[in-house]
Amino acid sequence: DVKVTQSSRYLVKRTGEKVFLECVQDMDHENMFWYRQDPGLGLRLIYFSYDVKMKEKGDIPEGYSVSREKKERFSLILESASTNQTSMYLCASSPYRGRYTEAFFGQGTRLTVV
Amino acid sequence: KNQVEQSPQSLIILEGKNCTLQCNYTVSPFSNLRWYKQDTGRGPVSLTIMTFSENTKSNGRYTATLDADTKQSSLHITASQLSDSASYICVVSLPGGGNKLTFGTGTQLKVEL
Repeated sequence: DVKVTQSSRYLVKRTGEKVFLECVQDMDHENMFWYRQDPGLGLRLIYFSYDVKMKEKGDIPEGYSVSREKKERFSLILESASTNQTSMYLCASSPYRGRYTEAFFGQGTRLTVV
Repeated sequence: KNQVEQSPQSLIILEGKNCTLQCNYTVSPFSNLRWYKQDTGRGPVSLTIMTFSENTKSNGRYTATLDADTKQSSLHITASQLSDSASYICVVSLPGGGNKLTFGTGTQLKVEL
């Protein structure tokens, strides 16, 4: 079974703190993604990476950065957390290409910024 | 405007009944269309995945259909169970490598006794 593991299920951070969300996958997938999910808005892509040290901005990258130093690990960084970054964060991974490529999701991290 | 729209936004049905969820998309061309189930507080889990040339795909009590001409997909749930209560999300994958996904906002289904 593919496993995508996010380091925390729940996090509470203070405004202005630097926050790290970690994601690890065990299937040697090339692609990894970070999404945030808010009620009524669905999943929105923050950043994705298709290879080690490669990254591309998604639809809402402002206020976030990412790091992919190893193929299995993709980190999302909130440089200075703000209350509008309170959300559910989901990491996903998938193989690079193929018509039936499956995206596998982690269990999510519910981040609250106070 | 969202490129993937789902209806209804929410739905309540009695256990044992069938239901159909709708997905209309404008993303074109696309590589595949997927339906995911997301339990509250969890990550989405794949139910079905269809390429643009497929019309139907089943996974147990879940059957997805795709009409590429009208750009519509549906997810039919047969003999619903309490455990079917979840959000169901329609997702369209863009062609090419990289596997970028466009998500609908989901249909929240509640199955009651």
